[in-house]
Amino acid sequence: ETGVTQSPTHLIKTRGQQVTLRCSSQSGHNTVSWYQQALGQGPQFIFQYYREEENGRGNFPPRFSGLQFPNYSSELNVNALELDDSALYLCASSLETGGETQYFGPGTRLLVL
Amino acid sequence: GESVGLHLPTLSVQEGDNSIINCAYSNSASDYFIWYKQESGKGPQFIIDIRSNMDKRQGQRVTVLLNKTVKHLSLQIAATQPGDSAVYFCAENNNAGNMLTFGGGTRLMVKP
Repeated sequence: ETGVTQSPTHLIKTRGQQVTLRCSSQSGHNTVSWYQQALGQGPQFIFQYYREEENGRGNFPPRFSGLQFPNYSSELNVNALELDDSALYLCASSLETGGETQYFGPGTRLLVL
Repeated sequence: GESVGLHLPTLSVQEGDNSIINCAYSNSASDYFIWYKQESGKGPQFIIDIRSNMDKRQGQRVTVLLNKTVKHLSLQIAATQPGDSAVYFCAENNNAGNMLTFGGGTRLMVKP
């Protein structure tokens, strides 16, 4: 196990609702990255947080937002949910940013109806 | 855009045989590559990594080869076991080091 935890494990929402997903990084890791993994595809980078600041963002709209807290845990918020947001949301932590190995949590499975 | 991809979507091998999973990348500036294993219902699990100043790196039963000339990466698994059955992803770390770009994955099926 990587020591990266995520909650909840599963979630069902309806279109237009908002959702918050949570991630606790591995002990000693100050960097958290979020990925979206659609069924049958590889993970897609959403954004990264390093020392409580956003440190890079992928091709996702502004309704995807995040936070990182002083203890380096992180939240991913998605507003105005769409059906295509149904996916596995993965959190990965690393010791630092910049070429460090990213270790993944088990993910949160989100279903939007 | 530049991306990381895989040649074979599914690989079926006999237990005890060696497995080779291939990956092509297109960003010649990438300097760090990682192989992950993902079992059903779980997050990707780190297997092995390699930096661009190396051609080969070995772990326990796994070897990663990097050919920068043709921008090709491979994962070799020795004496494949049923527990190796999973989807394998190669990933490429971008220049800023803050983003992994994943390929679509190869499913490895091990026949007993």
